[in-house]
Amino acid sequence: KAGVTQTPRYLIKTRGQQVTLSCSPISGHRSVSWYQQTPGQGLQFLFEYFSETQRNKGNFPGRFSGRQFSNSRSEMNVSTLELGDSALYLCASSLGGTNEKLFFGSGTQLSVL
Amino acid sequence: GQQLNQSPQSMFIQEGEDVSMNCTSSSIFNTWLWYKQDPGEGPVLLIALYKAGELTSNGRLTAQFGITRKDSFLNISASIPSDVGIYFCAGYAGGTSYGKLTFGQGTILTVHP
Repeated sequence: KAGVTQTPRYLIKTRGQQVTLSCSPISGHRSVSWYQQTPGQGLQFLFEYFSETQRNKGNFPGRFSGRQFSNSRSEMNVSTLELGDSALYLCASSLGGTNEKLFFGSGTQLSVL
Repeated sequence: GQQLNQSPQSMFIQEGEDVSMNCTSSSIFNTWLWYKQDPGEGPVLLIALYKAGELTSNGRLTAQFGITRKDSFLNISASIPSDVGIYFCAGYAGGTSYGKLTFGQGTILTVHP
């Protein structure tokens, strides 16, 4: 069974640009969650999607958005990039119930110059 | 917001030694999870705990869900070089916390052959 797949693995952008990251969950998983990981703040929850609906959201500005497609694949978008958005962005999938185990992908390393 | 205090921050041990790390919270968690992360990769799930007092093993790893539901610990017995990495505790506050795990700051484990 394939794991969670994130593309691309690495991205370099400049301030003001926007970026879209992609995540394919484990087959059969309908929930996708996104996290930001930085050395200073650690792992921070961005949002969670289930059946194309956002069910939960963390404390990030509106520049961070996401969506989920009918095949459970998800994308995350960051607009008007800032230097502080440089981070490892992780996607995790689960079956979608409460207190479910999350299975993470390898992440997308975003560098904003 | 909720915080998980994980200790120690780092450990330097000799191969064959046992390791213990723990997490504490000021509030109750319904589920505790332990992850291991290698550089440049996403966290890998090691153990999941769902009930207060639960003790669960996975090979040389043993984890416990504290009776107060505010703490958890992870033990690694007879450490080997491939145990090197960053270990994270994470918890679900329950309710409608879909996909939202709160993570500890991580314990960096170094094993000397």
